[in-house]
Amino acid sequence: QVQLQESGPGLVKPSQTLSLTCTVSGGSISSGSYYWSWIRQPAGKGLEWIGRIYTSGSTNYNPSLKSRVTISVDTSKNQFSLKLSSVTAADTAVYYCARDRRDSYGYNWFDPWGQGTLVTVSS
Amino acid sequence: SSELTQDPAVSVALGQTVRITCQGDSLRSYYASWYQQKPGQAPVLVIYGKNNRPSGIPDRFSGSSSGNTASLTITGAQAEDEADYYCNSRDSSGNQVFGGGTKLTVL
Repeated sequence: QVQLQESGPGLVKPSQTLSLTCTVSGGSISSGSYYWSWIRQPAGKGLEWIGRIYTSGSTNYNPSLKSRVTISVDTSKNQFSLKLSSVTAADTAVYYCARDRRDSYGYNWFDPWGQGTLVTVSS
Repeated sequence: SSELTQDPAVSVALGQTVRITCQGDSLRSYYASWYQQKPGQAPVLVIYGKNNRPSGIPDRFSGSSSGNTASLTITGAQAEDEADYYCNSRDSSGNQVFGGGTKLTVL
């Protein structure tokens, strides 16, 4: 059974770059027709999709974050990563990674999810 | 960008049926997926595609779609179903969007 685990600094200073890694266990990140996504949730608020990567390296990003986001994959480590630049307090949130599947009809869903990691942007 | 609209809160009596809705133009072309989130926990997929349940999700959860509205129905709601529910769909560019979430209270 595939499991995902986020890791990275819990505190980032304003204007700096937030960096998180998601480690996939219980299966190869390269197997199957899966994408790999990052999603975040500010405290008490809803979910926001950040972006996704395919193991070929192709990416999709949320248009509202596209200028600041980079998602990459390291198949040798079975990991994918998120970098969000020029962060502000508005980027404080729980960040989740999730396996992102698309079927032959083009419908996507996220399953499973990591447990999430809280990142606080503060000086 | 596409948007998905959900009612902020819905309540249901124990054992009764409740429908949680999600509206958006993208739903005319793409099915929604639905996620259950309990306090302090990561979201869990409950419905995907036309009306598919992942392994381990009770059959009291079902999904449907008509026009620009997707619905999650819980038939015979249980106390453990009290949670926040989010819909998600994609747009023609492949970008994903979540609804604002619906807080379900089981009375």
